[in-house]
Amino acid sequence: KNEVEQSPQNLTAQEGEFITINCSYSVGISALHWLQQHPGGGIVSLFMLSSGKKKHGRLIATINIQEKHSSLHITASHPRDSAVYICAVSPNTGNQFYFGTGTSLTVIP
Amino acid sequence: EAQVTQNPRYLITVTGKKLTVTCSQNMNHEYMSWYRQDPGLGLRQIYYSMNVEVTDKGDVPEGYKVSRKEKRNFPLILESPSPNQTSLYFCASSWGVLPYYEQYFGPGTRLTVT
Repeated sequence: KNEVEQSPQNLTAQEGEFITINCSYSVGISALHWLQQHPGGGIVSLFMLSSGKKKHGRLIATINIQEKHSSLHITASHPRDSAVYICAVSPNTGNQFYFGTGTSLTVIP
Repeated sequence: EAQVTQNPRYLITVTGKKLTVTCSQNMNHEYMSWYRQDPGLGLRQIYYSMNVEVTDKGDVPEGYKVSRKEKRNFPLILESPSPNQTSLYFCASSWGVLPYYEQYFGPGTRLTVT
């Protein structure tokens, strides 16, 4: 069973392109998180969403609770955006986290 | 500096030899958690704790133990490690007792069990 599905698994883009990463989930949730894992392995939290949309710099995250779907957008992509992006959900039936398997993004100069 | 620290960062051990991976945070966070990351499977939650002396199983708790005797520390114990526990382990913490808040991750511990 996989409560969280991400697409695409791998993505290569030219610098400056607009990028979208998708996350679909099958359980009712309290919150959805987007994480970034750097090539060196470190993980940082980008967004926590329970509804609507959030923006931070060139990153935008949206969530549609009814459709159980979230997207992470990167505008004007840059090689330093190259990383693995991971979607995680907190189900509303417990205090755990379930993770997608990640989207590996490479931005070429 | 606000941070989550893990030790050791790298560990090679043999089957059956008990080991402990320490995790400490200096942000007075309530929620702490352990994850393992494996290729093709992504991150999976092992155990979590919502407060001192309160721990609960995640998705893959078999073969692991945890304790939360102090708010800042959340060690992961492998009583009898096996090769299928070879993995990259992350500790994380967040403010509040529920998983609604930004998580802060430690740098990771790469464990190899031979």
